[in-house]
Amino acid sequence: EIVLTQSPGTLSLSPGARATLSCRASQTVSGNYLAWYQQIPGQAPRLLIFGASTRATGIPERFSASGSGTDFTLTISRLEPEDSAVYFCQQYGGSPNTFGQGTKLQMK
Amino acid sequence: QVQLQESGPGQVKPSETLSLTCSVSGGSIGSYLWGWIRQSAGKGLEWIGHIYTNGRTDYNPSLKSRVTISVDTSKKHFSLKMTSVTASDTAIYFCARTVLTLFGGAHFDLWGRGTLVTVS
Repeated sequence: EIVLTQSPGTLSLSPGARATLSCRASQTVSGNYLAWYQQIPGQAPRLLIFGASTRATGIPERFSASGSGTDFTLTISRLEPEDSAVYFCQQYGGSPNTFGQGTKLQMK
Repeated sequence: QVQLQESGPGQVKPSETLSLTCSVSGGSIGSYLWGWIRQSAGKGLEWIGHIYTNGRTDYNPSLKSRVTISVDTSKKHFSLKMTSVTASDTAIYFCARTVLTLFGGAHFDLWGRGTLVTVS
């Protein structure tokens, strides 16, 4: 099974700043089948990105993602207070689907 | 818009069967796949399995022997049963609409809020 390691564990930034979140896979993610999700406590997790770089419906352009192989990045530009959340990556190129442990983004 | 809502007992005794239902509202249950994911402090997020509306299922090999997912399109809901639960099955259980790739992998484009199940 593919293990996903996210870094940093916690990120503390000011509104208006840029956040860069990393997701590293223990082996190549086939087809670059990697997704990113946002989880705000008490809310349903939300799909942000699929296919490593394609924004899901309704996701603002401030959210962008890139990467291939084993290294993937989620970038959130011009942070807003409502971006405070835990962000997870998930690979679905190998069986079974697996998730990273998450990066907590908090606002200063 | 389509919404998902999990329901079921919040507490299950060890060795018994966990049963949850996910109700789909605001849209069609047909033409999609539907799945379950859980989140625990110990294991993080873990894919449990998914079901096609024709009844075909795929399960995480680590849980396959204990899990059954079923769907009732007439009632617009799908269900999860997990047998012989232990304390390690304590988790928040999410239902989700599942998008499948040609190669069988899946991501999840719509989630419920989740329901906490405690095995005790």
